[in-house]
Amino acid sequence: DSGVTQTPKHLITATGQRVTLRCSPRSGDLSVYWYQQSLDQGLQFLIQYYNGEERAKGNILERFSAQQFPDLHSELNLSSLELGDSALYFCASSVGGQGWDQPQHFGDGTRLSIL
Amino acid sequence: AQSVTQPDIHITVSEGASLELRCNYSYGATPYLFWYVQSPGQGLQLLLKYFSGDTLVQGIKGFEAEFKRSQSSFNLRKPSVHWSDAAEYFCAVGHGSSNTGKLIFGQGTTLQVKP
Repeated sequence: DSGVTQTPKHLITATGQRVTLRCSPRSGDLSVYWYQQSLDQGLQFLIQYYNGEERAKGNILERFSAQQFPDLHSELNLSSLELGDSALYFCASSVGGQGWDQPQHFGDGTRLSIL
Repeated sequence: AQSVTQPDIHITVSEGASLELRCNYSYGATPYLFWYVQSPGQGLQLLLKYFSGDTLVQGIKGFEAEFKRSQSSFNLRKPSVHWSDAAEYFCAVGHGSSNTGKLIFGQGTTLQVKP
């Protein structure tokens, strides 16, 4: 158990819909990272938040947004969903803003299926 | 741009045999390198990491990796594979400025272990 909690574990929805994925980081971790894992793109970094502020941005679509709340949990919002958004979405957390000395710990992911 | 290549998509070894998973990276400066393992239905677990210093690093579960700057490689090894090692393995490089935790992942190598 990594200590990172992601909910829900599975999500099935239709094209055009909007969903929210939730992540609770390990106790004491200030950084939250979101990654997307798909068959064609592999594991891709989406975005990082550190103590409530955006720290780094990757290949995140404009239809996607994220935030980190004062209690440090984070939400990833996906809107106007397309078939290609079907993927496994991982959240990771680390103590500091730079996950080198303190490695990133990953949750078990949310599997999103678009019908 | 930084990138990571794992040349082998799928590898099969017999239980008890030795293992080497290849990883090549592209990065201008000294890289921060990682190996993660993903078991089915689970998140990623950090096996080991390299920042600087000794080029042979030891990790968990009996794994080790060797950093070779001249070859831009960071190959993962294990002297004797166990059936429980069957999983997907990801090599990753730390990206960008020192104040972010963004990771660039390779496409992954799936390890199958024959009894």
